[in-house]
Amino acid sequence: SAVISQKPSRDICQRGTSLTIQCQVDSQVTMMFWYRQQPGQSLTLIATANQGSEATYESGFVIDKFPISRPNLTFSTLTVSNMSPEDSSIYLCSVTSGRDIQYFGAGTRLSVL
Amino acid sequence: DQQVKQNSPSLSVQEGRISILNCDYTNSMFDYFLWYKKYPAEGPTFLISISSIKDKNEDGRFTVFLNKSAKHLSLHIVPSQPGDSAVYFCAASLIQGAQKLVFGQGTRLTINP
Repeated sequence: SAVISQKPSRDICQRGTSLTIQCQVDSQVTMMFWYRQQPGQSLTLIATANQGSEATYESGFVIDKFPISRPNLTFSTLTVSNMSPEDSSIYLCSVTSGRDIQYFGAGTRLSVL
Repeated sequence: DQQVKQNSPSLSVQEGRISILNCDYTNSMFDYFLWYKKYPAEGPTFLISISSIKDKNEDGRFTVFLNKSAKHLSLHIVPSQPGDSAVYFCAASLIQGAQKLVFGQGTRLTINP
């Protein structure tokens, strides 16, 4: 399995500002994924990040709102831009490793005031 | 459109008894199913998976059953232990190792001593 570190673990932000979430993996992986879990909801895939190419976004998510960087095979960032209270969620990164299983980081709990 | 549904938000079971968590899906193209366990302030942890070519997969105290005709899967935990208290998510993908996982809403399992 892969060990995934996410920073920050939680944050409280003012509306209109942006927050960048970092995801570090202890091994090289081809694909990294970003999910959102809104309060009381299931996990929803935001985008898939491949190294050296643009991220692929799911329906309902756009690059201007959730820009993603993937500079190498062990690191990715997700930025939540121009935040509103509706962006208050847990944001999680995950990777696929070994037995085609996705492993998740502990998540970033974001509250927007 | 909720393609993966866990209709029981919560379940309470006596320690030592069997816990049965259920999951239904609507997309007949789903080919691979997974169960994750999530503790508060942690990311989801992979538990067990099953391919659509099987109807049962067992790993220690955990068994997953798949009924393709009914588009239904279940997770059995025997015997249930207090450490099993967590939120359980089922997830589905179109192929094994696929990037996109579609999650259910989760079921909060409480094991009572």
